[in-house]
Amino acid sequence: SYVLTQPPSVSVAPGKTARITCGGNNIGSKSVHWYQQKPGQAPVLVIYYDSDRPSGIPERFSGSNSGNTATLTISRVEAGDEADYYCQVWDSSSDVVFGGGTKLTVL
Amino acid sequence: EVQLVESGGGLVQPGRSLRLSCAASGFTFDDYAMHWVRQAPGKGLEWVSGISWNSGSIGYADSVKGRFTISRDNAKNSLYLQMNSLRAEDTALYYCAKDPQGGTTVTYFDYWGQGTLVTVSS
Repeated sequence: SYVLTQPPSVSVAPGKTARITCGGNNIGSKSVHWYQQKPGQAPVLVIYYDSDRPSGIPERFSGSNSGNTATLTISRVEAGDEADYYCQVWDSSSDVVFGGGTKLTVL
Repeated sequence: EVQLVESGGGLVQPGRSLRLSCAASGFTFDDYAMHWVRQAPGKGLEWVSGISWNSGSIGYADSVKGRFTISRDNAKNSLYLQMNSLRAEDTALYYCAKDPQGGTTVTYFDYWGQGTLVTVSS
């Protein structure tokens, strides 16, 4: 089965740039989607098809995908960005696969 | 405004059954595939099952295959999950989620409900 690996936690100071990685075998050949989940709330889509942003998501959120790693980048991090972030792909053998999630802490 | 409202969760004994419902509004329900995604307490997201716009294509996670059945009623703008032979490891918050496409291959989930909690315990 296909596995997505995320770091359990990432910490960043306000105003700086946070990068959250999602590793998978040849993930660059797949479409990667990212979700933000704040405590007690449902997940919210923040990036789809590697780098597209849904309406209402700030331009500070961007994504890239190449080789064995996809990356969610959050520029000019704000306190309100503190949340869990999950990557997701569809795989022909595993159907939907989520990464284990990364807790973003804003220092 | 897209709204997905789950219901039907609760406390149930191991081996028993439960049926979850999801009421959809704010979009043309029968144009889109729909899914159930769950989250065990303090854990990550796990896709459970998905169904295409016309119920012609259905998929399940291996962890629920043979025990759970997904269905939809497009006339009622509703999605369902029949859960049988429940186990302690099925304890989770169950989310209803909309797919931006209607077909057989899952893409991603553009809208989520707030979830309904299922607790399996004796």
